[in-house]
Amino acid sequence: QVQLQESGPGLVKPSETLSLTCTVSGGSINTYYWSWIRQPPGKGLEWIGYISYTGSTKYNPSLKSRVSISVDTSKNQFSLQLSSVTAADTAFYYCARQVGSQWMPYYSDCWGQGTLVTVSS
Amino acid sequence: DIVMTQSPDSLAVSLGERATINCRASQSVLHSSNNRNYLGWYQQKAGQPPKLLIYWASTRESGVPDRFSGSGSGTDFTLTINSLQAEDVAVYYCQQYYDTPQTFGQGTKVEVK
Repeated sequence: QVQLQESGPGLVKPSETLSLTCTVSGGSINTYYWSWIRQPPGKGLEWIGYISYTGSTKYNPSLKSRVSISVDTSKNQFSLQLSSVTAADTAFYYCARQVGSQWMPYYSDCWGQGTLVTVSS
Repeated sequence: DIVMTQSPDSLAVSLGERATINCRASQSVLHSSNNRNYLGWYQQKAGQPPKLLIYWASTRESGVPDRFSGSGSGTDFTLTINSLQAEDVAVYYCQQYYDTPQTFGQGTKVEVK
């Protein structure tokens, strides 16, 4: 049974970089797509982007200039970096596994519990 | 971006009754190459991450009770919960994965009347 767990600071100052890591246990990160999705408290879901098992990435254009997703296969982890954060980036951040084809990801069948990141000085 | 619009925003249903949630995409999510609708449904209970219920518009994820069903094609989709149970109280989201960025509906809150 694959499990995902997010980790990282719960408080980030404005203009700084938000960094989160997702640790995958119970399965290999060398398959599937691995994504980040966020949810401001009390609001809806926003897809941030993904990294594939081949290392290819794709990001939401609304965040593209500020976001980076990377993978460390030796640790079975993937990471999110979001730069120049503002209060609007305050949200629950979820990592998720996405089933997909060799060309694109499909649905998210396994999610981490989520971690709240607050942007505040 | 493909805009996903759900209706209603919330609904209250008596236990044992049917709940129906609609989702409309701003463009078709039916892929002509494989005749599949690139549409999923998720359930999010309070304080928990979303849980996949349905993919390919109508395929139930393993372990999901059969009172949950999905239907529709192209741009219009429906999630039906037959015989609502107390544990079904949650917010339900549709999501398209036809194109990136993947996008979600705004959510529909289901409560017990």
